[in-house]
Amino acid sequence: NAGVTQTPKFQVLKTGQSMTLQCAQDMNHNSMYWYRQDPGMGLRLIYYSASEGTTDKGEVPNGYNVSRLNKREFSLRLESAAPSQTSVYFCALMGILDRGRNEQFFGPGTRLTVL
Amino acid sequence: GNSVTQMEGPVTLSEEAFLTINCTYTATGYPSLFWYVQYPGEGLQLLLKATKADDKGSNKGFEATYRKETTSFHLEKGSVQVSDSAVYFCALRAFGGTSYGKLTFGQGTILTVHP
Repeated sequence: NAGVTQTPKFQVLKTGQSMTLQCAQDMNHNSMYWYRQDPGMGLRLIYYSASEGTTDKGEVPNGYNVSRLNKREFSLRLESAAPSQTSVYFCALMGILDRGRNEQFFGPGTRLTVL
Repeated sequence: GNSVTQMEGPVTLSEEAFLTINCTYTATGYPSLFWYVQYPGEGLQLLLKATKADDKGSNKGFEATYRKETTSFHLEKGSVQVSDSAVYFCALRAFGGTSYGKLTFGQGTILTVHP
């Protein structure tokens, strides 16, 4: 998880509240991703950003917005939280792991509960 | 579209037992295949990978062989330890299209190893 930080680690919201999950990297990589992890469903891609200023939808974008204002940070916003958004959220970035091949690094996750 | 199917868990083994976690995939083209591991309370870490048919990925005593003819990438370890208790995810990355670097995950398999 080195180089990828997520805040907060835990959050409890009431239905209809809004919040922003923050992800920051100090590895100077272009591509960043937001996934959600739900029991029995693995990780599903919400949004990704290939570079600063660009974002694209993944598999499950509904109910979320993202922002990539600079290379370092990629935020995920829930405008009106719903119980179906209770999940663990992982930020990831594409970096060079070994022998020049690009692989994904994952942050430690944010556990979100929507009541 | 692309998909990954893992054997259902949870899997419970005694220390030093042999481990197999099955993974099969559906993808267009020639995807890269990965196994990620998630230890309790942590994010995902890349365990091993293979990028072309008949490649064998290995790390920490775990192995998986990319079998194109059976579209499989089964994870094996000859002698598991208590410290291997974690959730294991099979994933693929297919190239082309607009989803640069996107990973498609299986649902995860919980492994518990008892002393």
